[in-house]
This record gives sequence, structure tokens and C-alpha cells, in this order.
Amino acid sequence: NAGVTQTPKFRILKIGQSMTLQCTQDMNHNYMYWYRQDPGMGLKLIYYSVGAGITDKGEVPNGYNVSRSTTEDFPLRLELAAPSQTSVYFCASSYSISGETGGYFGPGTRLTVL
Amino acid sequence: SQKIEQNSEALNIQEGKTATLTCNYTNYSPAYLQWYRQDPGRGPVFLLLIRENEKEKRKERLKVTFDTTLKQSLFHITASQPADSATYLCALDPGGGSYIPTFGRGTSLIVHP
Repeated sequence: NAGVTQTPKFRILKIGQSMTLQCTQDMNHNYMYWYRQDPGMGLKLIYYSVGAGITDKGEVPNGYNVSRSTTEDFPLRLELAAPSQTSVYFCASSYSISGETGGYFGPGTRLTVL
Repeated sequence: SQKIEQNSEALNIQEGKTATLTCNYTNYSPAYLQWYRQDPGRGPVFLLLIRENEKEKRKERLKVTFDTTLKQSLFHITASQPADSATYLCALDPGGGSYIPTFGRGTSLIVHP
């Protein structure tokens, strides 16, 4: 299994541009998440999904959108990028609704908005 | 409001000693508490999970304790090695049929040879 894969690894955007961060998992996990991590800070939950077709907001959803059309894919869309969205973005997945085994994280996407 | 606290200062220890990291929380009743390891430039890696009705859990050189009265978890690495140097994150999960963990900021551990 490849686990959780994310593309791209790095990206520089200009203010006002849009982009989609891709996330795919091959473990047949129901739960998927998007987090952002700023320097010296913890992971902040942006959006999550409990299954295909179901998404919900996390702690910091403003400026982002998600979709979950398949179990495997959970893309994160940034519309009208702002400097405040400069961060490292992590996608994660889990197959247990009881949290018994923890989450599997992707390698991250480092985004800079200038 | 809910709060998870981990030491923001790095923990420096000598190789072979036991490292102890702390995770405190307030206004929270987690059903599960997890510990992750994060290396620079990488995503977190799950290490251990402990349930609210468990006092202690071990895995090889790792030991986690969970005191719901003190609202605290301790994470121990025995016989520490320089390769254990990383940032360690705790995450709290309220349970109740959903798995939406909240993460602390993490504590950096530096093991000196």
C-alpha cells in the first residue's frame, strides 16, 4: 500500500489565485481529514469526511472547500489564495470510527502565498 | 474553551536516559488519547493510543500513562537514542462514534549522544 499520498509537495501561489491540493489513500479508510500546520503550532483541522459524499467543517474552514466523491480521494480547494493560507497542509485518513489505531498522514504540501 | 498543552520548550536529554513528555488538557473529556511522532518536513506518524479506562500502555521502549483525574498523559521513552529526536504530538479524541482528534502543538525532544 502507498498509504496517503499528496500532490504537489510544494507550491507558490500569487494572491487571488486558486488551486487544488490532491489527497489519495489506498487503505479503504472511511475517515479523511485536512489539517494545516503553521510553524510552532499544532495541527488545525480544516475539513473532514466520514465517507464518500459526506463532508463537514473543522476548526478553520474559511477560504477552503472540499469534496469526497470516492472513498479514495479527498481534494482540498483553495479559492482566492491569501497570505494567511501560507502553511503546510496535511491530509490524513483513518479506518476506525472508534479511533483505535490512530490516523495515517500524508507527507504534506508546503504552500506559500505571495 | 478546550485546551491541550504540551511543553513548548525542547526537552534535551542524554542518550540512554528516559525521556518524559507531558500532555495536559482542560475542558475536555477524551475517550482516547494518542501520541504521534513528527520528523522535520514529514507528516505525523501514529505511535500509541490509550483509552480513558486504561491507566498505562506499553510498546517496546514506549510507555504512555493517562490520568483522567489530573487530565494528563505522560509519554515515556526509555533508553533513549539520538534517533528518537523528533517532535511528539498528543491528540485527544472525544469518542462517541466519531474520530475527530484535536492535536496539541507538540514537544521537541533532542537526544544527545
